[in-house]
Amino acid sequence: SQTIHQWPATLVQPVGSPLSLECTVEGTSNPNLYWYRQAAGRGLQLLFYSVGIGQISSEVPQNLSASRPQDRQFILSSKKLLLSDSGFYLCAWTPTGREQYFGPGTRLTVT
Amino acid sequence: QKEVEQNSGPLSVPEGAIASLNCTYSDRVSQSFFWYRQYSGKSPELIMSIYSNGDKEDGRFTAQLNKASQYVSLLIRDSQPSDSATYLCAVIDPGGSYIPTFGRGTSLIVHP
Repeated sequence: SQTIHQWPATLVQPVGSPLSLECTVEGTSNPNLYWYRQAAGRGLQLLFYSVGIGQISSEVPQNLSASRPQDRQFILSSKKLLLSDSGFYLCAWTPTGREQYFGPGTRLTVT
Repeated sequence: QKEVEQNSGPLSVPEGAIASLNCTYSDRVSQSFFWYRQYSGKSPELIMSIYSNGDKEDGRFTAQLNKASQYVSLLIRDSQPSDSATYLCAVIDPGGSYIPTFGRGTSLIVHP
């Protein structure tokens, strides 16, 4: 069966510090992968998606970037965090291009 | 811009009652529809998918789709306190990128 992992689970970072969040999927190959952010009291905001290694599409221009160095690995990064980057970061994958399955998420607080 | 609208709630129902959650969408060509459940502090969990008009039942859950009226609903029969969560509606159009549009969710509270 397929499993999606995210780490870290929680993170507290000062403004201006870098960020690296990792997502990996087990038990499948060449999945479509997605990064979402859910701010407090708000809906899911799609940040990036990837249909293959090295293929990244950005939905929202901001100070975040994403990379997919391996088939089942998706990384979200920032060089300098802003207060507004606080939120619940979710990685998701889809086996069919339709239904999505979410990882456990990373709760980021920027102080 | 594609929109998926949900009443934010909270929707409060007594234990054992039927909870009815509704979602409307703006893009008439949408083809795939999903309901996710999100417990507080947790990630969303897929509970239902529906692709054609009519009803789809899975245990205590029934998804209903009406493409002509552009709405999709989720019925939860015999509601339990453990059903208390936020329910997210998601819609995908056949545009090729398979990017879902999520509603902001409806908070459901099932009280004993």
